[in-house]
Amino acid sequence: EAGVAQSPRYKIIEKRQSVAFWCNPISGHATLYWYQQILGQGPKLLIQFQNNGVVDDSQLPKDRFSAERLKGVDSTLKIQPAKLEDSAVYLCASRTRTASSYEQYFGPGTRLTVT
Amino acid sequence: GNSVTQMEGPVTLSEEAFLTINCTYTATGYPSLFWYVQYPGEGLQLLLKATKADDKGSNKGFEATYRKETTSFHLEKGSVQVSDSAVYFCALTRNNAGNMLTFGGGTRLMVKP
Repeated sequence: EAGVAQSPRYKIIEKRQSVAFWCNPISGHATLYWYQQILGQGPKLLIQFQNNGVVDDSQLPKDRFSAERLKGVDSTLKIQPAKLEDSAVYLCASRTRTASSYEQYFGPGTRLTVT
Repeated sequence: GNSVTQMEGPVTLSEEAFLTINCTYTATGYPSLFWYVQYPGEGLQLLLKATKADDKGSNKGFEATYRKETTSFHLEKGSVQVSDSAVYFCALTRNNAGNMLTFGGGTRLMVKP
């Protein structure tokens, strides 16, 4: 089966610009996650969706970050405006609704560099 | 809160050497513990897990034992291969945190032929 797809793989922007990342989860996976992985640190959960509803966005910096999953399949994560500290790899992961939380399938990530 | 601490890398070994990557955790109650691996250019993959004290998780020659008394979950492999070169992440989940995964900072392993 196809894995979790993410695009773009790399993005370089200047601070105060906007950027969007796209994720296509594995077919049939109702639960979707976005993580931020800063260099030298482990992934940190930003937001969790169940179908098109938000389950947990307590760690999402809502003043500049937004995410949506309008049709319960693909998802986009947006940063507007970007700051230098947003430089990181953004990971998308998905799982079936009934799978355990640790049984997530991760995409390869989008590496964002903010200059 | 919950946290995971891993030894800093990179860890550089010769092929067939013994591997240990240390992991300790802080959590209330009884978390479930995991090791994930990230090969170059790929997404994280679950390597092994242990859900209660004294459980031993194993996969692909890797092992880790859930030690409640020392709050540790060290990853070991008796004989590493070049293909084991990757970044390894220790992680935990707790029921009182919505089973959210909490990751350590990762340890890069480099195996030389």
